[in-house]
Amino acid sequence: EADIYQTPRYLVIGTGKKITLECSQTMGHDKMYWYQQDPGMELHLIHYSYGVNSTEKGDLSSESTVSRIRTEHFPLTLESARPSHTSQYLCASSGPGDLTGELFFGEGSRLTVL
Amino acid sequence: GQNIDQPTEMTATEGAIVQINCTYQTSGFNGLFWYQQHAGEAPTFLSYNVLDGLEEKGRFSSFLSRSKGYSYLLLKELQMKDSASYLCAVLDSNYQLIWGAGTKLIIKP
Repeated sequence: EADIYQTPRYLVIGTGKKITLECSQTMGHDKMYWYQQDPGMELHLIHYSYGVNSTEKGDLSSESTVSRIRTEHFPLTLESARPSHTSQYLCASSGPGDLTGELFFGEGSRLTVL
Repeated sequence: GQNIDQPTEMTATEGAIVQINCTYQTSGFNGLFWYQQHAGEAPTFLSYNVLDGLEEKGRFSSFLSRSKGYSYLLLKELQMKDSASYLCAVLDSNYQLIWGAGTKLIIKP
């Protein structure tokens, strides 16, 4: 069973608010990821990290930031939420080498921006 | 560019067998992965192929042909709980996962 946790599970906020989605894993994985996924649609990589103090942008990163100060923690911040940010946000982690492709996902954070 | 193709939707009958195909064109190859995703839930890992051939895991099997850029996921003895989306993903030369859009599998009684 995967040990990766996301909070909040559900969030409804107003436009312009700053929000942080939390993600923690207890597997000691160096690699962590944030994906955005709309219902029935494909996964879009927002940010990823290959270790402490390492963060990289994915395809969909322009309106969010991440930090990786500790191995187990990888929070995602939206500085000013907009209705277009309404989506499901999935955090994941993976092990080294070929295991990089075996992702363990959190349960997701479903965000609604009014 | 990098591309992964899968059928958008398939329908099968409970108890039957279904094969979900995936073709890929990526810069490099370090493995092909299949994930299952139930509606409203996160994906869960199903299988991994890095060498040509068939990998079997209970009712699920996955096949890979690297020369053809082709894989399939075979589900036997279908159960209603197998209704889900099945995602194909390839690990490229930079160890980045490239995702397909997924195949929605509908199981009918």
